[in-house]
Amino acid sequence: DQQVKKNSPSLSVQEGRISILNCDYTNSMFDYFLWYKKYPAEGPTFLISISSIKDKNEDGRFTVFLNKSAKHLSLHIVPSQPGDSAVYFCAASQGGSEKLVFGKGMKLTVNP
Amino acid sequence: DAGITQSPRHKVTETGTPVTLRCHQTENHRYMYWYRQDPGHGLRLIHYSYGVKDTDKGEVSDGYSVSRSKTEDFLLTLESATSSQTSVYFCAISESPGGVTNEKLFFGSGTQLSVL
Repeated sequence: DQQVKKNSPSLSVQEGRISILNCDYTNSMFDYFLWYKKYPAEGPTFLISISSIKDKNEDGRFTVFLNKSAKHLSLHIVPSQPGDSAVYFCAASQGGSEKLVFGKGMKLTVNP
Repeated sequence: DAGITQSPRHKVTETGTPVTLRCHQTENHRYMYWYRQDPGHGLRLIHYSYGVKDTDKGEVSDGYSVSRSKTEDFLLTLESATSSQTSVYFCAISESPGGVTNEKLFFGSGTQLSVL
C-alpha cells in the first residue's frame, strides 16, 4: 500500500526556470510533510517541511505547498540551478508516529 | 553534518550467507532507522529503534533482524542473504521523529549490498 505517491518519475527543466515536483498521498491522518534531496552515492538530505496547519512554507528558492483537501503536496524551486539536479523524495508522517513514509523518488535534471 | 557512519560502504556476498551492517552515530539521538532504497520503490523502512534494546518492525522487515545494545550503534542483520536483498541500505537518526515534534531524519551515506 503506497501511501505517498510521486506523480512523475522524472523532470527536466532549463536553468533559471521553475521546477515543480508533485506528490499525492492517501492517508488523511498524515499531518507533517517533508521533502528530501538525494545526490548519487550520498544519503538523502532534508530540504524543507510543512505542517498540516499550514498550506505553504518557503525557504529561499524552495517553497512547499500543501493542499489537504486534494491530498496533494508540491515543491517549487525558483530559479532552478544545475546543482538542484538530484532525486527528490516526498515523505509524510502522522501525529504520534515514529515513522516517516517516503514516496518513490523523482529525478530532477536542471540543464545549463 | 550529522555524525552518522555506516559500515561497510560496499559489500558483495553470496546467497545464504549472513551479513551484518553497522550504523554508528555520535549525536546521541534516541531514534535510529534502517531503510532500503530500490528502483521503483523509493525508501522503505525495514526496522527502527526508539531506544536501547527497543526496536520495532517497518514495512519490509521479513528476512532482517536488528539489535541496539548501545545508543550509538544500530546493527542490521540478514540471517541468510537472498538476491532480493540486493539494495542500498541507509541508516537514519532522529532526536524525535516527524510525527512527534516535527523533527527530521538525518541519513548516513549508505551501504551498497550485492547478493550474488
